[in-house]
Amino acid sequence: SYELTQPPSVSVSPGQTASITCSGDKLGEKFACWYQQKAGQSPVLVIYQDTKRPSGIPERFSGSNSANTATLTISGTQAMDEADYYCQAWDSSTAAVFGGGTKLTVL
Amino acid sequence: QVQLQESGPGLVKPSETLSLTCTVSGGSISGYYWSWIRQPPGKGLEWIAYIYYSGTPNYKYSLKSRLTISVDTSKNQFSLKVSSVTAADTAVYYCARLIQTGSSRYFDYWGQGTLVTVSS
Repeated sequence: SYELTQPPSVSVSPGQTASITCSGDKLGEKFACWYQQKAGQSPVLVIYQDTKRPSGIPERFSGSNSANTATLTISGTQAMDEADYYCQAWDSSTAAVFGGGTKLTVL
Repeated sequence: QVQLQESGPGLVKPSETLSLTCTVSGGSISGYYWSWIRQPPGKGLEWIAYIYYSGTPNYKYSLKSRLTISVDTSKNQFSLKVSSVTAADTAVYYCARLIQTGSSRYFDYWGQGTLVTVSS
């Protein structure tokens, strides 16, 4: 079955750039998306189709996907961005696959 | 603005069947795919099933024998049944709308989630 791997945690200082990676076999040949989940809330889509932002998502959120790694980048990170982030891709045999999640701490 | 709301019992006994319903408001259930995703306490997200509004279901392979997903377009609802539940099925269950555009698939609207605990 297809698997996506994320680092368990990432820390960033306010105003700095946070990068969260998601690794999977030939992930660059699939579309990746990212969800933000704040404590006690439902996940919110922040990036889809590798690089696109849904309406209402701040421009500081961006995404890329190449080779075996997709990356979510948050520029000028704010305290409100502290959350768990999950990548997701679709595999023909496994259907929807989520990464294990990354806890972003804004120190 | 599309909204999804899960409903169902919060407590289910082991070996029984868990039944959940998702009510869609602010838009039609027709023309879209709909999905269930769960999250055990303190753990990550797990996709378990999706269905097209006209009724073709797809299940996570490891759970396929215990899952049934269905749609009721007249009520703008879709449902999930999980049979023979164990403590491992304890989780927050989310319903979500699945968007498919070409080979891109993602969940754009999510319900608030409902915690289901399996315990005697």
